[in-house]
Amino acid sequence: EAGVTQFPSHSVIEKGQTVTLRCDPISGHDNLYWYRRVMGKEIKFLLHFVKESKQDESGMPNNRFLAERTGGTYSTLKVQPAELEDSGVYFCASSQDGGLGDTQYFGPGTRLTVL
Amino acid sequence: AQSVAQPEDQVNVAEGNPLTVKCTYSVSGNPYLFWYVQYPNRGLQFLLKYITGDNLVKGSYGFEAEFNKSQTSFHLKKPSALVSDSALYFCAVTGGGGYQKVTFGIGTKLQVIP
Repeated sequence: EAGVTQFPSHSVIEKGQTVTLRCDPISGHDNLYWYRRVMGKEIKFLLHFVKESKQDESGMPNNRFLAERTGGTYSTLKVQPAELEDSGVYFCASSQDGGLGDTQYFGPGTRLTVL
Repeated sequence: AQSVAQPEDQVNVAEGNPLTVKCTYSVSGNPYLFWYVQYPNRGLQFLLKYITGDNLVKGSYGFEAEFNKSQTSFHLKKPSALVSDSALYFCAVTGGGGYQKVTFGIGTKLQVIP
């Protein structure tokens, strides 16, 4: 069974540009999560999808970030326009039933550098 | 509300010695506790979790963790460290507010010295 995959693995862009990150969850997992780790700090929750619906987007930093999950399969996270403070590693995770204690399985992350 | 503290930025241990990576938590309600490991240039890998039942939880790669409710701790342990255990370890908690938003600690770098 394939794990969570993310694309690209690295992205280097200039301030003001747009970047789109993609996450493919484990097949059959309805729950998909986005997290971000800024260097040296904790991993922070961004948002949670249940199928194609946003269950919780309370962690999204501002309206420059847009997440979608059309069709309830893969998800994209777009940053437009990117700012320097957006640099970090963006992790995607998926889980099967989303209940308390349900294990979230993480992808390898996308390292975003904004210059 | 929920939070996790990993008080040590780095833990150094000699190969073959027992290791402990500390974690304390705060959560309203019953805690659900996790340990993840991140090897260099890799994603987070699930190690183990505590939901209920036996306070000693066994996980992957010979790791185990002990849930201590009175001390609100969930320390990660291994009886004999391997050089290949060198990695970044994250403790995480969920359960606050009855919702599965996971809160992570800042991470502890484990360095196993040959």
